[in-house]
Amino acid sequence: KNQVEQSPQSLIILEGKNCTLQCNYTVSPFSNLRWYKQDTGRGPVSLTIMTFSENTKSNGRYTATLDADTKQSSLHITASQLSDSASYICVVSASGGSYIPTFGRGTSLIVHP
Amino acid sequence: GAVVSQHPSRVICKSGTSVKIECRSLDFQATTMFWYRQFPKQSLMLMATSNEGSKATYEQGVEKDKFLINHASLTLSTLTVTSAHPEDSSFYICSAARGSGSSYNEQFFGPGTRLTVL
Repeated sequence: KNQVEQSPQSLIILEGKNCTLQCNYTVSPFSNLRWYKQDTGRGPVSLTIMTFSENTKSNGRYTATLDADTKQSSLHITASQLSDSASYICVVSASGGSYIPTFGRGTSLIVHP
Repeated sequence: GAVVSQHPSRVICKSGTSVKIECRSLDFQATTMFWYRQFPKQSLMLMATSNEGSKATYEQGVEKDKFLINHASLTLSTLTVTSAHPEDSSFYICSAARGSGSSYNEQFFGPGTRLTVL
């Protein structure tokens, strides 16, 4: 069964600090992995998308890494801002046939001033 | 590009009434649209997959007669919650898929619709 596990479930950090969110998956065969940011009461917004051959991808202060061998990904946020407070969702898609992705439960990040 | 809109953003209705939510892809054609439901502090739960011109495919446990989905064009899909009850109160999000092949997996999400049933 395809699964995506995220950790931690929630995280509180001070403004300006860095943090790293984790995503482990069992989706196979792997097609791509995406990180989304979802503000409260809003739809998810894509941050990064990585395919099998990509190890790292950055989008401003967000850097995602992917280890396809261990089936792990991380999202690193640098110099956090108050606006980074949101839920971060890891989504993994399989190739060949079903294009319905598997969603993680998300990590709720709160950035305090 | 790749903007998806939803209307309304918020709706409050009485128990027993029906509510229609629209999902539009504004700058691309979406052969497939997805409807999700999200309860507080939980992840998105796929309700159904909607293909233009054909019947929607519902996930297990989702009542197709209660959640009517229509995908009449390549840019519009609607979700109608019939005979709504308080337990249907939730955040409903649609997404639209663009492209083919490996890019077919990319979905663009709408801003969501908050439904409150009194």
